Amino acid sequence: QKEVEQNSGPLSVPEGAIASLNCTYSDRGSQSFFWYRQYSGKSPELIMSIYSNGDKEDGRFTAQLNKASQYVSLLIRDSQPSDSATYLCAVKNNNAGNMLTFGGGTRLMVKP
Amino acid sequence: KAGVTQTPRYLIKTRGQQVTLSCSPISGHRSVSWYQQTPGQGLQFLFEYFSETQRNKGNFPGRFSGRQFSNSRSEMNVSTLELGDSALYLCASSLAPGPNTEAFFGQGTRLTVV
Repeated sequence: QKEVEQNSGPLSVPEGAIASLNCTYSDRGSQSFFWYRQYSGKSPELIMSIYSNGDKEDGRFTAQLNKASQYVSLLIRDSQPSDSATYLCAVKNNNAGNMLTFGGGTRLMVKP
Repeated sequence: KAGVTQTPRYLIKTRGQQVTLSCSPISGHRSVSWYQQTPGQGLQFLFEYFSETQRNKGNFPGRFSGRQFSNSRSEMNVSTLELGDSALYLCASSLAPGPNTEAFFGQGTRLTVV
């Protein structure tokens, strides 16, 4: 059973729309949560981290965390074609050093 | 400020050979983690090093090993290569193990085993 679940997509949204990416996790001891963006053929790039329940905003990106529901999401406002990539959700149990457990990723396509 | 540097970027090896990959973390970062990424299994944790000590190890066979040097640079080694070892190997750099610590990835080494 995969510990971090994401819809593989593709999630297709028109340019300018809000893209909503979701992630659920099974380890209740998870305490740190991250979103990475990975373009095809490139390495993952950290775009957001969130550690406490609620929302965290950074530019066009908003991460949302609900530990009770074991759910974390990423909203991308005013989506651009350059946002087209695979978005990886990663969780960390702080008792396991820096080990990250990744979901399979959601492929986002933003259509002009 | 330089990012995470992995060498080489690409490698082609034959089954049964061994390979060594290198990672230089961000200056000042002392924790290095290694991951394997394949289309079928996604990103999987291999191991983490801090202060030249392995702190965590993922569910990989003993053919996969690593080490860290006093300058925080790390190497990973895969012996007796198998076709299934073909993957993108990624190194992640962090300040140190601990809560709320972010990890930054290098460009990766793409290994092809033929």
